[in-house]
Amino acid sequence: GQQVMQIPQYQHVQEGEDFTTYCNSSTTLSNIQWYKQRPGGHPVFLIQLVKSGEVKKQKRLTFQFGEAKKNSSLHITATQTTDVGTYFCAVAVNSGYSTLTFGKGTMLLVSP
Amino acid sequence: DTEVTQTPKHLVMGMTNKKSLKCEQHMGHRAMYWYKQKAKKPPELMFVYSYEKLSINESVPSRFSPECPNSSLLNLHLHALQPEDSALYLCASSRIQENTEAFFGQGTRLTVV
Repeated sequence: GQQVMQIPQYQHVQEGEDFTTYCNSSTTLSNIQWYKQRPGGHPVFLIQLVKSGEVKKQKRLTFQFGEAKKNSSLHITATQTTDVGTYFCAVAVNSGYSTLTFGKGTMLLVSP
Repeated sequence: DTEVTQTPKHLVMGMTNKKSLKCEQHMGHRAMYWYKQKAKKPPELMFVYSYEKLSINESVPSRFSPECPNSSLLNLHLHALQPEDSALYLCASSRIQENTEAFFGQGTRLTVV
């Protein structure tokens, strides 16, 4: 099945610094989704990317899908303590369903 | 209502016990899922129900038995679990369509003793 490699596994930043997590696949992806899981919480959908080269923004978060649809990134500008959590990329492996294969996730810690 | 509700939130059970996890959604989603998440790992798919019928079983041991009584409810029956089955069990639901997102419940944190 489709697999996505996600790096880094962990990042600790000072509040106000930027943060980026990357997902890579050896195969072309039909779409990629991003989820955030707060400590002790559950995954919450952030965004979905479908088109080659797509860029989407949500306030301080910028999501990109590579031109070859084999990689994606999530960039947070000027992190805040509320950004703490684990960010997962995920791929739906069955057409029409949210049968998600997740990357290993990047745990973000933000110090005030 | 965009919530998926899971009960109980926490469960401790012995290896000889039988227990059930429950999940409910009222978003009209016709696909429902069970995922298992071990500590510091990503969620892993266990089962998928589509229109109340089991459509995917990811080779899950038979000590886990899912059930979908109706389009809003999903259960996971547990019997003779092992300590290594301790994990966060997440229910999710989604529309049945291309490129659709999953809505996750808050999970049941299960400890098998």
